[in-house]
Amino acid sequence: QVQLQESGPRLVKPSQTLSLTCTVSGGSISSGGYCWTWIRQHPGKGLEWIGYIYYSGSTYDNPSLKSRVAISVDTSKNQFSLKLSSVTAADTAVYYCAINRGNNAFDIWGQGTMVTVSA
Amino acid sequence: QSVLTQPPSVSAAPGQKVTISCSGSSSNIGNNYISWYQQLPGTAPKLLIYENNKRPSGIPDRFSGSKSGTSATLGITGLQTGDEADYYCETWDSSLSVGVFGGGTKLTVL
Repeated sequence: QVQLQESGPRLVKPSQTLSLTCTVSGGSISSGGYCWTWIRQHPGKGLEWIGYIYYSGSTYDNPSLKSRVAISVDTSKNQFSLKLSSVTAADTAVYYCAINRGNNAFDIWGQGTMVTVSA
Repeated sequence: QSVLTQPPSVSAAPGQKVTISCSGSSSNIGNNYISWYQQLPGTAPKLLIYENNKRPSGIPDRFSGSKSGTSATLGITGLQTGDEADYYCETWDSSLSVGVFGGGTKLTVL
């Protein structure tokens, strides 16, 4: 059974780059037809779609994040990563990695990791 | 403000039925599949319904989904206290070119 686990710094300073990694276990990140996705949730708020990387390597991110997003895959480590540049306090949130395995939904989620942006 | 509109809260007694609505437009719900997620306190969301009305393996048939035009509905029958959670709808918005979630609905089982 495929499982996901987020990891990365819990505290990031304003204007710096937030970097998170999602490690995939129980399956291969090279699996065809999957969208490897990042989603976040601001404290006490709803869910926000950040972006995804398709198994082919193509990426797509939320236009509202103004091109600050970079998503990549490391097949050798069975991981995919998120980089969010020029962060502000508004980027403080729980960050989730999730998979869309071709059924038009996110059927597997990581447990989430809380990232705080503060000096 | 979310592109998809859900009621902030709903409530019902144990054993009863509740429905949660999700309203959108032709650029999202009207022309794309919708999915529903349950988020228990302090946990990650869990997929309940995909492609409008399909249940993943392990999701009881107490949970159902439907879609009509630019609106969708999640139904839960035989309510249990363990169903107390936040529920979110989600779909793709073809105009915004982004995945969109509803604002979430908090279910209270009285």
